[in-house]
Amino acid sequence: DGGITQSPKYLFRKEGQNVTLSCEQNLNHDAMYWYRQDPGQGLRLIYYSQIVNDFQKGDIAEGYSVSREKKESFPLTVTSAQKNPTAFYLCASSLYGGEANEAFFGQGTRLTVV
Amino acid sequence: DQQVKQNSPSLSVQEGRISILNCDYTNSMFDYFLWYKKYPAEGPTFLISISSIKDKNEDGRFTVFLNKSAKHLSLHIVPSQPGDSAVYFCAARGNAGNMLTFGGGTRLMVKP
Repeated sequence: DGGITQSPKYLFRKEGQNVTLSCEQNLNHDAMYWYRQDPGQGLRLIYYSQIVNDFQKGDIAEGYSVSREKKESFPLTVTSAQKNPTAFYLCASSLYGGEANEAFFGQGTRLTVV
Repeated sequence: DQQVKQNSPSLSVQEGRISILNCDYTNSMFDYFLWYKKYPAEGPTFLISISSIKDKNEDGRFTVFLNKSAKHLSLHIVPSQPGDSAVYFCAARGNAGNMLTFGGGTRLMVKP
């Protein structure tokens, strides 16, 4: 059953803590993405990776870090440097290049700072 | 600077009537456009797409129109159903990889 899985669904973080959000896909997609959604706003790109061991900053990368050690996995760490981390985080994957393909999204992780 | 804009944050339509959601873009390098539908606390799901070489694509009740000269696309839903109530995002892809740029979304409410 192919898909993209994010965990956990809900996450609470104390101020000053780093937390890592998991994203795994078994679609054999090359590219993976992290987006952030705030209430009433669209999706803003945090980081993306087109191949293993390579990733690029998106529009709002400050306070976040990622790794891409395996094709299937693209974890996002929200660091203490992120001033306003409470948001809904979405991971997506797609084939890279060639004919256009839509991105497939996970179910999201809602992060709340307490 | 937003490259993809959805200027209507919300839209209310009666069941059975047409819903028209609009999207404008500024980057002439975009070559592929997509619409996603999103329910609260869920990830967006792909709805319909259109290549820049076409001006219309239809899939059942959903039709997307592209006007390249105006840098404008629209999604038509006919007839609208209560289950269509969701947030709709317009997205655009440049010709370098598959990275998508999203608009701010339009919340559609279809009233029974």
